Amino acid sequence: GDSVTQMEGPVTLSEEAFLTINCTYTATGYPSLFWYVQYPGEGLQLLLKATKADDKGSNKGFEATYRKETTSFHLEKGSVQVSDSAVYFCALSDTGNQFYFGTGTSLTVIP
Amino acid sequence: NAGVTQTPKFRVLKTGQSMTLLCAQDMNHEYMYWYRQDPGMGLRLIHYSVGEGTTAKGEVPDGYNVSRLKKQNFLLGLESAAPSQTSVYFCASSYSGKLTGLRIDTQYFGPGTRLTVL
Repeated sequence: GDSVTQMEGPVTLSEEAFLTINCTYTATGYPSLFWYVQYPGEGLQLLLKATKADDKGSNKGFEATYRKETTSFHLEKGSVQVSDSAVYFCALSDTGNQFYFGTGTSLTVIP
Repeated sequence: NAGVTQTPKFRVLKTGQSMTLLCAQDMNHEYMYWYRQDPGMGLRLIHYSVGEGTTAKGEVPDGYNVSRLKKQNFLLGLESAAPSQTSVYFCASSYSGKLTGLRIDTQYFGPGTRLTVL
């Protein structure tokens, strides 16, 4: 069945450091891939998405590229800020009625 | 647009009590979902609906019931609450997969309901 595996946290970085959060997926078809972000005390918000192989999603300095050959969708940011502290979820949707979420990666950025 | 709203935001129940969580969306979405979020467990799907009058079980449906009498509302009921149901509950909605080549596009989430069962 479909599933998403993402890097376990927590991750702690200094401000302006480079961020990578790994995400790999298993799917029977050609899924759409998503990164969601959850700030403390809030619901999940869409951060970026990609709907086909080699697409790059980007938003707020974050990027992720849909790699079909490695079944991956790693999240990157060149220079993190304190305000990026949050929990990040990788997710996929396939030819069905559901989303499949990873377990989430907590990021803390220290000044 | 309010997006997805959830009522209430917080609730404390005693074991055995019942309650209903309300989710409302104003985006005319066909699909609606209920998730629970527990530390270290990510999001787990409880029930979902692909249209008015339809519901289906997700990964962890036991102890919960749902109803979708109106397209914009999705209710989650706990008939006899247990401490294991202490969690944060999120509702989400999305357009039908039929609009995007059978793959569901973005899910939009509500702010959550924090439920404690004593």
